[in-house]
Amino acid sequence: TQLLEQSPQFLSIQEGENLTVYCNSSSVFSSLQWYRQEPGEGPVLLVTVVTGGEVKKLKRLTFQFGDARKDSSLHITAAQTGDTGLYLCAGLSGGSNYKLTFGKGTLLTVNP
Amino acid sequence: DTAVSQTPKYLVTQMGNDKSIKCEQNLGHDTMYWYKQDSKKFLKIMFSYNNKELIINETVPNRFSPKSPDKAHLNLHINSLELGDSAVYFCASHYGVAMNTEAFFGQGTRLTVV
Repeated sequence: TQLLEQSPQFLSIQEGENLTVYCNSSSVFSSLQWYRQEPGEGPVLLVTVVTGGEVKKLKRLTFQFGDARKDSSLHITAAQTGDTGLYLCAGLSGGSNYKLTFGKGTLLTVNP
Repeated sequence: DTAVSQTPKYLVTQMGNDKSIKCEQNLGHDTMYWYKQDSKKFLKIMFSYNNKELIINETVPNRFSPKSPDKAHLNLHINSLELGDSAVYFCASHYGVAMNTEAFFGQGTRLTVV
């Protein structure tokens, strides 16, 4: 069974601070995705990283895929209250049994 | 237009009852899923269907029976509901098997078994 461990589980910071969320696995995934989920809604895709060592930027969010394609990180610069939400990493297993396996999530609260 | 829509959004029912949750996607996707999100926000895959055929069944109890009448619909029927079935159930869909394909999720159905 492929497992994804996310840390920290909870994070409460002040507006303007920086933060990093980690996603680690003992398994290699074909690609890794980060989703954000707001209360009462389903997860929404933020980014997909495919190549080992890949770095992608989405405004103040920076995503990195580890060289061995087993881990990833999400860094947010100058957090805003609108960044509050549940951040989920998901590993993609390809082939005929295409499957998205989620980590347990990081609940981020950005306080004004 | 809602891309992936689930009904109902909320469902409160008694133990032992049978209930169904419906899901429809208007994105032309060929693969649909059911996920269960527990009280700790852990999203666990239950089933996946590709072109109406069951692809993944993650050791879900037989009381859960998915049905896909066509590529755009994946319904979930649950028999003899138990307290532990209380959770938020999400339907999701995507197209193809590319490594960067995006999964679209419905808004979820919050099931409470009392």
